[in-house]
Amino acid sequence: QPALTQPPSASGTPGQRVTISCSGSETNIGTNYVYWYQQLPGTAPKLLIYRDNLRPSGVPDRFSGSKSGTSASLAISGLRSEDEGDYYCATLDDYLNGPLFGGGAKLTVL
Amino acid sequence: EGQLVESGGGLVQPGGSLRLSCVASGFSFSSFCLSWVRQAPGKGLEWVAHIKQGGGEKYYVDSVKGRFTISRDNAKNSLYLQMDSLRAEDTAVYHCVREVSSATPWFDPWGQGTLVTVSS
Repeated sequence: QPALTQPPSASGTPGQRVTISCSGSETNIGTNYVYWYQQLPGTAPKLLIYRDNLRPSGVPDRFSGSKSGTSASLAISGLRSEDEGDYYCATLDDYLNGPLFGGGAKLTVL
Repeated sequence: EGQLVESGGGLVQPGGSLRLSCVASGFSFSSFCLSWVRQAPGKGLEWVAHIKQGGGEKYYVDSVKGRFTISRDNAKNSLYLQMDSLRAEDTAVYHCVREVSSATPWFDPWGQGTLVTVSS
Protein backbone atom coordinates (compact mmCIF):
# COMPACT_ATOMS: atom_id res chain seq x y z
CA GLN A 1 0.00 0.00 0.00
CA PRO A 2 1.45 3.38 -1.00
CA ALA A 3 2.51 5.58 1.88
CA LEU A 4 4.17 8.89 2.65
CA THR A 5 6.60 8.79 5.56
CA GLN A 6 7.15 11.79 7.79
CA PRO A 7 9.13 11.96 11.05
CA PRO A 8 6.63 11.96 13.93
CA SER A 9 8.27 14.97 15.49
CA ALA A 10 10.58 17.90 14.87
CA SER A 11 11.82 20.66 17.11
CA GLY A 12 13.87 23.82 17.20
CA THR A 13 14.48 26.97 19.19
CA PRO A 14 13.12 30.40 18.26
CA GLY A 15 14.93 31.84 15.27
CA GLN A 16 16.28 28.48 14.11
CA ARG A 17 15.65 26.78 10.78
CA VAL A 18 13.96 23.37 10.81
CA THR A 19 13.08 20.98 8.04
CA ILE A 20 10.41 18.30 7.89
CA SER A 21 10.81 15.52 5.37
CA CYS A 22 8.23 13.54 3.43
CA SER A 23 9.41 10.33 1.80
CA GLY A 24 7.45 8.51 -0.87
CA SER A 25 8.00 6.59 -4.09
CA GLU A 26 8.02 6.89 -7.85
CA THR A 27 4.27 6.35 -8.00
CA ASN A 28 3.47 9.32 -5.76
CA ILE A 29 6.03 12.04 -5.01
CA GLY A 30 8.14 10.95 -7.95
CA THR A 31 5.43 11.89 -10.46
CA ASN A 32 3.00 14.21 -8.68
CA TYR A 33 3.01 17.60 -6.99
CA VAL A 34 3.42 17.79 -3.22
CA TYR A 35 1.28 19.93 -0.94
CA TRP A 36 1.91 20.91 2.70
CA TYR A 37 -0.63 21.70 5.40
CA GLN A 38 -0.22 23.32 8.80
CA GLN A 39 -2.59 22.42 11.62
CA LEU A 40 -2.27 24.59 14.70
CA PRO A 41 -3.72 23.23 17.97
CA GLY A 42 -7.51 23.08 17.94
CA THR A 43 -7.86 24.38 14.39
CA ALA A 44 -8.55 23.03 10.92
CA PRO A 45 -5.61 22.36 8.59
CA LYS A 46 -4.46 25.26 6.42
CA LEU A 47 -2.73 25.14 3.04
CA LEU A 48 0.92 26.12 3.43
CA ILE A 49 2.63 25.05 0.17
CA TYR A 50 1.14 23.95 -3.14
CA ARG A 51 2.68 22.41 -6.26
CA ASP A 52 5.93 21.51 -4.47
CA ASN A 53 7.20 24.99 -3.66
CA LEU A 54 4.58 27.69 -4.12
CA ARG A 55 3.13 29.72 -1.25
CA PRO A 56 -0.49 30.91 -1.16
CA SER A 57 -0.92 34.60 -0.53
CA GLY A 58 -0.67 35.35 3.16
CA VAL A 59 1.80 32.57 3.96
CA PRO A 60 5.09 34.10 5.18
CA ASP A 61 8.21 33.47 3.11
CA ARG A 62 9.71 31.80 6.20
CA PHE A 63 7.96 28.69 4.88
CA SER A 64 9.41 27.00 1.80
CA GLY A 65 8.94 23.70 0.04
CA SER A 66 11.25 21.62 -2.11
CA LYS A 67 11.27 18.26 -3.82
CA SER A 68 13.94 15.92 -5.13
CA GLY A 69 13.17 12.56 -6.64
CA THR A 70 10.81 10.69 -4.34
CA SER A 71 11.22 12.98 -1.32
CA ALA A 72 9.95 16.40 -0.39
CA SER A 73 10.80 18.80 2.39
CA LEU A 74 9.22 21.70 4.22
CA ALA A 75 11.62 24.24 5.66
CA ILE A 76 10.69 26.80 8.28
CA SER A 77 13.20 29.54 8.95
CA GLY A 78 13.13 32.12 11.75
CA LEU A 79 11.15 29.69 13.89
CA ARG A 80 8.46 31.25 16.09
CA SER A 81 6.45 29.87 19.00
CA GLU A 82 3.26 30.27 16.97
CA ASP A 83 4.60 27.76 14.43
CA GLU A 84 3.99 24.93 16.94
CA GLY A 85 1.58 22.43 15.49
CA ASP A 86 1.27 19.52 13.10
CA TYR A 87 2.53 19.55 9.52
CA TYR A 88 1.26 17.20 6.83
CA CYS A 89 2.46 16.48 3.31
CA ALA A 90 0.03 15.26 0.64
CA THR A 91 0.17 14.09 -2.95
CA LEU A 92 -1.50 11.77 -5.42
CA ASP A 93 -0.51 8.18 -6.07
CA ASP A 94 -0.82 6.44 -9.42
CA TYR A 95 -2.36 3.38 -7.73
CA LEU A 96 -4.94 5.14 -5.59
CA ASN A 97 -8.17 6.85 -6.54
CA GLY A 98 -7.63 9.76 -4.19
CA PRO A 99 -5.07 11.89 -2.36
CA LEU A 100 -2.54 10.45 0.06
CA PHE A 101 -1.44 12.19 3.27
CA GLY A 102 1.71 11.68 5.26
CA GLY A 103 1.32 10.70 8.91
CA GLY A 104 2.11 14.21 10.08
CA ALA A 105 5.01 15.73 12.00
CA LYS A 106 4.50 17.49 15.32
CA LEU A 107 6.67 20.60 15.51
CA THR A 108 7.73 21.80 18.95
CA VAL A 109 9.37 25.17 19.51
CA LEU A 110 11.61 24.76 22.53
CA GLU B 1 -11.50 33.40 -0.41
CA GLY B 2 -14.47 31.27 0.51
CA GLN B 3 -15.86 29.61 3.60
CA LEU B 4 -17.15 26.14 4.36
CA VAL B 5 -19.30 25.26 7.37
CA GLU B 6 -20.09 21.66 8.27
CA SER B 7 -22.90 20.30 10.40
CA GLY B 8 -24.64 17.05 11.19
CA GLY B 9 -22.08 15.28 13.34
CA GLY B 10 -22.95 13.54 16.57
CA LEU B 11 -23.02 10.28 18.51
CA VAL B 12 -24.32 7.23 16.67
CA GLN B 13 -24.35 3.52 17.45
CA PRO B 14 -22.36 1.03 15.38
CA GLY B 15 -24.37 0.09 12.31
CA GLY B 16 -26.23 3.38 12.37
CA SER B 17 -26.42 6.21 9.85
CA LEU B 18 -25.62 9.90 9.80
CA ARG B 19 -25.80 12.62 7.15
CA LEU B 20 -23.22 15.39 7.15
CA SER B 21 -23.82 18.72 5.43
CA CYS B 22 -21.47 21.48 4.33
CA VAL B 23 -22.61 24.92 3.22
CA ALA B 24 -20.29 27.05 1.12
CA SER B 25 -20.11 30.80 0.69
CA GLY B 26 -17.83 33.35 -0.92
CA PHE B 27 -17.00 31.48 -4.12
CA SER B 28 -18.65 29.97 -7.18
CA PHE B 29 -19.65 26.65 -5.62
CA SER B 30 -20.67 24.89 -8.83
CA SER B 31 -17.27 25.57 -10.42
CA PHE B 32 -15.25 23.45 -8.02
CA CYS B 33 -14.78 19.81 -7.13
CA LEU B 34 -15.13 19.07 -3.42
CA SER B 35 -13.93 16.43 -0.99
CA TRP B 36 -14.42 15.19 2.53
CA VAL B 37 -11.28 14.64 4.65
CA ARG B 38 -11.41 13.10 8.11
CA GLN B 39 -9.17 13.03 11.16
CA ALA B 40 -9.59 10.39 13.85
CA PRO B 41 -8.89 11.60 17.41
CA GLY B 42 -5.16 12.11 17.85
CA LYS B 43 -4.46 10.78 14.36
CA GLY B 44 -3.53 12.13 10.94
CA LEU B 45 -5.55 13.25 7.94
CA GLU B 46 -7.33 10.84 5.62
CA TRP B 47 -9.08 11.70 2.37
CA VAL B 48 -12.56 10.11 2.27
CA ALA B 49 -14.49 11.09 -0.85
CA HIS B 50 -14.46 13.36 -3.92
CA ILE B 51 -17.20 14.73 -6.14
CA LYS B 52 -16.89 16.58 -9.41
CA GLN B 53 -18.58 19.89 -10.21
CA GLY B 54 -21.72 18.40 -11.70
CA GLY B 55 -21.88 15.46 -9.30
CA GLY B 56 -21.38 12.84 -11.99
CA GLU B 57 -17.93 11.69 -10.90
CA LYS B 58 -17.42 10.34 -7.40
CA TYR B 59 -14.47 8.57 -5.78
CA TYR B 60 -14.10 7.01 -2.33
CA VAL B 61 -11.35 5.64 -0.14
CA ASP B 62 -11.62 1.84 -0.09
CA SER B 63 -12.59 1.67 3.58
CA VAL B 64 -15.88 3.53 3.02
CA LYS B 65 -16.90 2.24 -0.43
CA GLY B 66 -20.43 0.88 -0.38
CA ARG B 67 -21.18 2.55 2.96
CA PHE B 68 -20.71 6.29 2.33
CA THR B 69 -22.26 8.39 -0.43
CA ILE B 70 -21.09 11.87 -1.38
CA SER B 71 -23.50 14.24 -3.10
CA ARG B 72 -24.01 17.93 -3.74
CA ASP B 73 -26.76 20.43 -4.47
CA ASN B 74 -25.30 23.30 -6.46
CA ALA B 75 -28.53 25.32 -6.14
CA LYS B 76 -28.08 25.28 -2.37
CA ASN B 77 -24.27 25.61 -2.35
CA SER B 78 -24.23 22.44 -0.30
CA LEU B 79 -22.17 19.26 -0.05
CA TYR B 80 -23.32 16.12 1.74
CA LEU B 81 -21.93 12.86 3.06
CA GLN B 82 -24.43 10.09 3.77
CA MET B 83 -22.76 7.61 6.11
CA ASP B 84 -24.38 4.20 6.60
CA SER B 85 -23.29 1.03 8.41
CA LEU B 86 -21.05 3.12 10.61
CA ARG B 87 -18.16 1.50 12.46
CA ALA B 88 -16.10 2.53 15.46
CA GLU B 89 -13.19 3.26 13.13
CA ASP B 90 -15.26 5.94 11.36
CA THR B 91 -15.06 8.07 14.51
CA ALA B 92 -13.38 11.30 13.41
CA VAL B 93 -13.73 14.99 12.69
CA TYR B 94 -14.99 15.30 9.12
CA HIS B 95 -13.82 18.34 7.12
CA CYS B 96 -15.36 19.64 3.95
CA VAL B 97 -12.73 20.99 1.53
CA ARG B 98 -12.66 22.74 -1.81
CA GLU B 99 -10.34 21.30 -4.46
CA VAL B 100 -8.55 24.25 -6.02
CA SER B 101 -7.46 21.98 -8.86
CA SER B 102 -9.72 19.09 -9.70
CA ALA B 103 -8.87 15.68 -8.20
CA THR B 104 -5.69 16.87 -6.49
CA PRO B 105 -4.82 17.35 -2.79
CA TRP B 106 -4.80 21.12 -3.36
CA PHE B 107 -7.40 21.79 -0.64
CA ASP B 108 -8.32 25.37 0.20
CA PRO B 109 -10.24 26.36 2.22
CA TRP B 110 -11.10 23.81 4.88
CA GLY B 111 -14.21 23.81 7.00
CA GLN B 112 -13.80 23.71 10.77
CA GLY B 113 -15.10 20.15 10.81
CA THR B 114 -17.89 18.22 12.47
CA LEU B 115 -17.26 15.39 14.94
CA VAL B 116 -18.74 11.96 14.33
CA THR B 117 -18.55 9.50 17.21
CA VAL B 118 -19.53 5.87 16.61
CA SER B 119 -20.01 4.11 19.92
CA SER B 120 -22.52 2.03 21.81
